[in-house]
Amino acid sequence: DAKTTQPPSMDCAEGRAANLPCNHSTISGNEYVYWYRQIHSQGPQYIIHGLKNNETNEMASLIITEDRKSSTLILPHATLRDTAVYYCIVRVGSYNTDKLIFGTGTRLQVFP
Amino acid sequence: NAGVTQTPKFRILKIGQSMTLQCTQDMNHNYMYWYRQDPGMGLKLIYYSVGAGITDKGEVPNGYNVSRSTTEDFPLRLELAAPSQTSVYFCASSHYARGEPEQYFGPGTRLTVT
Repeated sequence: DAKTTQPPSMDCAEGRAANLPCNHSTISGNEYVYWYRQIHSQGPQYIIHGLKNNETNEMASLIITEDRKSSTLILPHATLRDTAVYYCIVRVGSYNTDKLIFGTGTRLQVFP
Repeated sequence: NAGVTQTPKFRILKIGQSMTLQCTQDMNHNYMYWYRQDPGMGLKLIYYSVGAGITDKGEVPNGYNVSRSTTEDFPLRLELAAPSQTSVYFCASSHYARGEPEQYFGPGTRLTVT
């Protein structure tokens, strides 16, 4: 079973920041939080990941709470092309067992 | 690099037929994965491989078989197709040892069993 909980859907106006929350209250100390997105029916696309510090890349920012029980993915200036299903994933793995367990994600609709 | 390629893109099978879904990656990744995605649901891991000759079951392996004879290829075999296997199948690859965090996904194979 997925170890994360996300709202099923969210809306965001184009040009505004989209803040997607995720709860992962049972996360272990060495488990990373990953975010992927799936546009229409394409294969999922990696966005960002983090362990306990906040992270930023060219696509998004990831804010992880100090207790690591929740996180927020931030798309700073959402565009129509950001309309997609966003998956928050706790990565269970080591060298021999690395795998992703997907939940049902949040469907983000960006409107003009 | 072509990345992860999958064939066929679409396929319709009759109940009881068999088929192999092909997956190839040209990134020299050691890890490869097969997922299925039912309508409105997230992806579920079927099988994965951490290197040539090594495979292991994921969340939903029943009704499927895999092999990994080369680094590049990771075919998924359906032996006796059932309507419950109607789904979109995604193959992915990654290279854990290089510290690259992401899995790269193929475009998917849409399978219908009737």
